[in-house]
Amino acid sequence: DAGITQSPRYKITETGRQVTLMCHQTWSHSYMFWYRQDLGHGLRLIYYSAAADITDKGEVPDGYVVSRSKTENFPLTLESATRSQTSVYFCASSGLGRGSQETQYFGPGTRLLVL
Amino acid sequence: LAKTTQPISMDSYEGQEVNITCSHNNIATNDYITWYQQFPSQGPRFIIQGYKTKVTNEVASLFIPADRKSSTLSLPRVSLSDTAVYYCLVGDDDKIIFGKGTRLHILP
Repeated sequence: DAGITQSPRYKITETGRQVTLMCHQTWSHSYMFWYRQDLGHGLRLIYYSAAADITDKGEVPDGYVVSRSKTENFPLTLESATRSQTSVYFCASSGLGRGSQETQYFGPGTRLLVL
Repeated sequence: LAKTTQPISMDSYEGQEVNITCSHNNIATNDYITWYQQFPSQGPRFIIQGYKTKVTNEVASLFIPADRKSSTLSLPRVSLSDTAVYYCLVGDDDKIIFGKGTRLHILP
């Protein structure tokens, strides 16, 4: 049982390029999330999805695009990468909701460096 | 959404009990208190959750006083592998917010 996986694990790109980070979960969880983690900021929610074809903004959505055509996949796209988007990106999923009563299961993270 | 305040960092020694306290003065009636643990280069993972009084599992205990304005995560007999960042979260059915966490460093 793979659980939740992210790819690539490491990515170096240049300013202005489009980058897509992939997230895949095998639990058929309804909810999926994208966070970014930066020194001094903890984890901040970028986007989340309650189900296939249902997405919504989190705290820091600017510069990012998400889609969810299938329950198990939740790709995050940086349409034109900027240096400020250098970060560690975590994908997470939960079974029934996005509130505190539902455990979120996190992937291993993708380290993105934008030059 | 209630804001949480926890120490930025703590040091302890192997074999000791570690208590990390989180303050959440504005906790609402529907809010649960949840703790996550994050090891270096990994995503956070759920440790324990409670609403009131005391909760214990195989990893930790969570103590919540009657007024629920604070909570204490207790890790019994820590080892070097417990070195991690510990996040206290308070949230309702709608959302959770991760703060900056407490960086716990276990010394030999």
